[in-house]
Amino acid sequence: DTEVTQTPKHLVMGMTNKKSLKCEQHMGHRAMYWYKQKAKKPPELMFVYSYEKLSINESVPSRFSPECPNSSLLNLHLHALQPEDSALYLCASSQVSRDGLTDTQYFGPGTRLTVL
Amino acid sequence: AQSVAQPEDQVNVAEGNPLTVKCTYSVSGNPYLFWYVQYPNRGLQFLLKYITGDNLVKGSYGFEAEFNKSQTSFHLKKPSALVSDSALYFCAVKNAGNMLTFGGGTRLMVKP
Repeated sequence: DTEVTQTPKHLVMGMTNKKSLKCEQHMGHRAMYWYKQKAKKPPELMFVYSYEKLSINESVPSRFSPECPNSSLLNLHLHALQPEDSALYLCASSQVSRDGLTDTQYFGPGTRLTVL
Repeated sequence: AQSVAQPEDQVNVAEGNPLTVKCTYSVSGNPYLFWYVQYPNRGLQFLLKYITGDNLVKGSYGFEAEFNKSQTSFHLKKPSALVSDSALYFCAVKNAGNMLTFGGGTRLMVKP
């Protein structure tokens, strides 16, 4: 089973709202990722968690706040977003070897976010 | 720095004909190469990968890719295209730094 689930599928929020995106995997993967994807463009990496610790933050604005409560869950907390933040937000997960190398990333279906 | 180029924004092919989606890469060290497919309003689905070994890699849904080190290419191929193969295809490379770098994507249109 290579399934990564994401909720909600769609989210519409105002610029003053606070919302959260959720991602879950039960493949025993210890690396989890958040990507942002604009229409017809490749995904852009936002954050990487490895063994529940934030290992990479690609200079993402603080209005995006990631959280990894346990090895199966990854959240992305949203606050005071801008209309240009509207995009498809993808979660992915992968195995991590003992020497830190990651394997194939498996992606969830994404959350389509619209900021009004 | 690593990079991936997909020189064609769109590839058109008739159903039943062979298809090729091109990808070239630049990376220091040994490349780990991937192909993903994305259907409208969906996430990326893993198709296949090259890590080491045989240059011809077979993947899901009848797709295969050929690794060519001298030409730094990793073209995606399928002997007989289906209308349902119409989608956006991304090539990606990963080096020892673990991060994926994606190409710009190629839209495949298979016409009946």
